[in-house]
Amino acid sequence: AQKITQTQPGMFVQEKEAVTLDCTYDTSDQSYGLFWYKQPSSGEMIFLIYQGSYDEQNATEGRYSLNFQKARKSANLVISASQLGDSAMYFCAMRDRPTNFGNEKLTFGTGTRLTIIP
Amino acid sequence: KAGVTQTPRYLIKTRGQQVTLSCSPISGHRSVSWYQQTPGQGLQFLFEYFSETQRNKGNFPGRFSGRQFSNSRSEMNVSTLELGDSALYLCASSPQGLGYGYTFGSGTRLTVV
Repeated sequence: AQKITQTQPGMFVQEKEAVTLDCTYDTSDQSYGLFWYKQPSSGEMIFLIYQGSYDEQNATEGRYSLNFQKARKSANLVISASQLGDSAMYFCAMRDRPTNFGNEKLTFGTGTRLTIIP
Repeated sequence: KAGVTQTPRYLIKTRGQQVTLSCSPISGHRSVSWYQQTPGQGLQFLFEYFSETQRNKGNFPGRFSGRQFSNSRSEMNVSTLELGDSALYLCASSPQGLGYGYTFGSGTRLTVV
């Protein structure tokens, strides 16, 4: 069974600093996908970034980058130049066998509550 | 482009009642998934529908059911509500179910009293 571990329940970061949110995963599959989502207090889950298990380069999306270390089974999210609007819950999630019909589900970690301090 | 729409946003029900939640996916998206989010259990997968067929189901009791219509809109139903069913219910859609483009709605917050 897949498992996602986020060991940081909460983090406080000064505005404009970079922040790294930790995520480790466990799966026996060779083909899988890793996601990061942001959930503000409104409740909506906002997609941030995706990394496929066979992607050779780390994914980047604007201020977000994913530090993917396959051998260590870690997929940390790095937010550069943090902003007050980055304050939210952040979830790491995994989807196994991205190309297999009938296995459409995400397994989520417990989340990290990020607070940006002015 | 309209996003994923979930209705209603908030709902209060009494224990023992049943409830139906609705999700309208992004136009053209054929896969709809449902998740339950609670403080104790976190985010848990309920089920996924593609072209009106349930393809995957999470570990929830039979009181939780769903369906998808020909226009890809989906509903989930919970019968005989229990206090523990109080949660945020999130719906996500993706184009064909094989890609990595999951778009979530804002959720329906269900309170069972």
